[in-house]
Amino acid sequence: EVQVVESGGGLVQPGGSLRLSCGASGFTVTTTYMSWVRQAPGKGLEWVSIIHSGGGTYYADSVKGRFTISRDDSKNTVFLQMNSLRHEDTAIYFCSGGRYESWGLGTLVTVSS
Amino acid sequence: QPVVTQEPSLTVSPGGTVTLTCGSNTGVVTRGHYSYWFQQKPGQAPRTLIYETNNKYSWTPARFSASLLGGKTALTLSGAQPDDEADYYCLLFYSDVGVFGGGTKLTVL
Repeated sequence: EVQVVESGGGLVQPGGSLRLSCGASGFTVTTTYMSWVRQAPGKGLEWVSIIHSGGGTYYADSVKGRFTISRDDSKNTVFLQMNSLRHEDTAIYFCSGGRYESWGLGTLVTVSS
Repeated sequence: QPVVTQEPSLTVSPGGTVTLTCGSNTGVVTRGHYSYWFQQKPGQAPRTLIYETNNKYSWTPARFSASLLGGKTALTLSGAQPDDEADYYCLLFYSDVGVFGGGTKLTVL
């Protein structure tokens, strides 16, 4: 069964850092696209970042220079390193695999003092 | 960053047909935008219905279809059911960077 599971969310102060993980099963993260999408409370979906099978990485303007997507092939896991966090980064962060065919349940990130 | 626009809300009668559209402020939406359509119900993760303009997944109900229409990408629901009441989002890609539309709240009433 194809599945992704996010972890690593929590409460962090403005300016702080957090690393989210997305563990995959049923497929290999290096063979496909892996994306992060977020949703602020009561708001719509926002595309955050993607890593291609070839390793290319791309970011939304709102997170460029602050967030880094990466993967660990040995763990079949994708990460989202989030630095210089702002209040407006508060959201549920979803991981999605492939052409968005698999989605996790999300992990909540709250940026607050 | 480009802006992707969707109808904020639409209503369809049970058994009826409705078309949701997704446009771009940069111009005509083409296959090169690799558009996607997602359905999201309250408290749930999104579910992808359509990928790369008009391709369906095995779980996509046959009553959903997508196309390019009038310079936009469009999702058509034919034979709406109460279970189709949800938020619908489109996603367009601009040189590998994705941008979601604001979403359409679809009411089946």
